[in-house]
Amino acid sequence: RKEVEQDPGPFNVPEGATVAFNCTYSNSASQSFFWYRQDCRKEPKLLMSVYSSGNEDGRFTAQLNRASQYISLLIRDSKLSDSATYLCVVYAGNNRKLIWGLGTSLAVNP
Amino acid sequence: EPEVTQTPSHQVTQMGQEVILRCVPISNHLYFYWYRQILGQKVEFLVSFYNNEISEKSEIFDDQFSVERPDGSNFTLKIRSTKLEDSAMYFCASSDQGVGETQYFGPGTRLLVL
Repeated sequence: RKEVEQDPGPFNVPEGATVAFNCTYSNSASQSFFWYRQDCRKEPKLLMSVYSSGNEDGRFTAQLNRASQYISLLIRDSKLSDSATYLCVVYAGNNRKLIWGLGTSLAVNP
Repeated sequence: EPEVTQTPSHQVTQMGQEVILRCVPISNHLYFYWYRQILGQKVEFLVSFYNNEISEKSEIFDDQFSVERPDGSNFTLKIRSTKLEDSAMYFCASSDQGVGETQYFGPGTRLLVL
């Protein structure tokens, strides 16, 4: 099982759609979880951290299920500017580094 | 808003040559990192640096790689004898707390080894 595995993409959705990304991780000792966004040939930028109780930031909702070792990101009312690759990132203290998923590509179409 | 900067933005070099990639982390941050991303592949951790020493390194970070913080602001990655497979985007990042906290990335240096 890959350390961090994400839905294969690409996702093509119309503006205004709701889209969900899933991510699973293999290390049960993982402590911190993040969603980063990466535009083509640019650096990753933090979209949101993921907390145990789930958290929301505007149109974005992140959820964590520790028992299933599963993280999700929901984007509501998607905008053209949401088109990017979404990276699931996990930190486990026992390996002292961030582990990155391959990412899921999202294209929001007019 | 403070940001991480990297120079150069692009570097083309011949196989076997040495390259130094430069980064200026956010000024009050204490933890520094290098990552690489080969085109179309995932972001890969190379090394983390804290308190003037390497905290953690990956299997990619072999003897050909070294890092240095030569002064109070710069953080450099040196590749001693570049190989074709070193061609990638190299990102520097910094954080004010530990590895598991938010890391802020620079815009990257695109390295092409011919």
